[in-house]
Amino acid sequence: DIQMTQSPSSLSASVGDRVTITCQASQDISNYLNWYQQKPGKAPKLLIYDASNLETGVPSRFSGSGSGTDFTFTISSLQPEDIATYYCQQYDNLLRITFGPGTKVDIK
Amino acid sequence: EVQLVESGGGLVQPGRSLRLSCAASGFTFDDYAMHWVRQAPGKGLEWVSGISWNSGSIGYADSVKGRFTISRDNAKNSLYLQMNSLRAEDTALYYCAKDTRATVTTPFDYWGQGTLVTVSS
Repeated sequence: DIQMTQSPSSLSASVGDRVTITCQASQDISNYLNWYQQKPGKAPKLLIYDASNLETGVPSRFSGSGSGTDFTFTISSLQPEDIATYYCQQYDNLLRITFGPGTKVDIK
Repeated sequence: EVQLVESGGGLVQPGRSLRLSCAASGFTFDDYAMHWVRQAPGKGLEWVSGISWNSGSIGYADSVKGRFTISRDNAKNSLYLQMNSLRAEDTALYYCAKDTRATVTTPFDYWGQGTLVTVSS
């Protein structure tokens, strides 16, 4: 099975800071990598799909990049409403879907 | 407006069964694959199972394979999860999620609010 690692597991940053989260797959997953935001007590929300495509309605300060095994999620200017846990998700062609362990983002 | 409403959760003893349902509205249900995702208290997200638009392709996480069965009724716009031989580690909030494609892939663009399953004696 493909394993997903995310780093860091948590971070604290100031409003306006650039925030970067990385996700690494244990084998090549092409661009089958998505990013979700989950706020406390809420369902996850899709932000980025296929590694770098911004979901409709999602602010442009969110972005993603990467392919193969290494992926990056960036918030260009952290806002108070971005406090959440962020998860990467991968899909392989054997009907297996895996989420990363998550990165909790707080305001410093 | 897309809506996914889960039901059927509750407190159940280890070894017993439970059936979850997800009622979908606001989109053409039989055009899309559907999934169940769970989240144990204070933990991360775990994909449980997915089913293609016509039930022709089904996938399960290793942790539930052989115990859980996903199904759908396109005439009723409903998704189901039959959970047998429940264990304490199955305790979680179970989300229903809509795929963006007809086959079992990703991403998931809509999620329900979840139904809580607690397995305890």
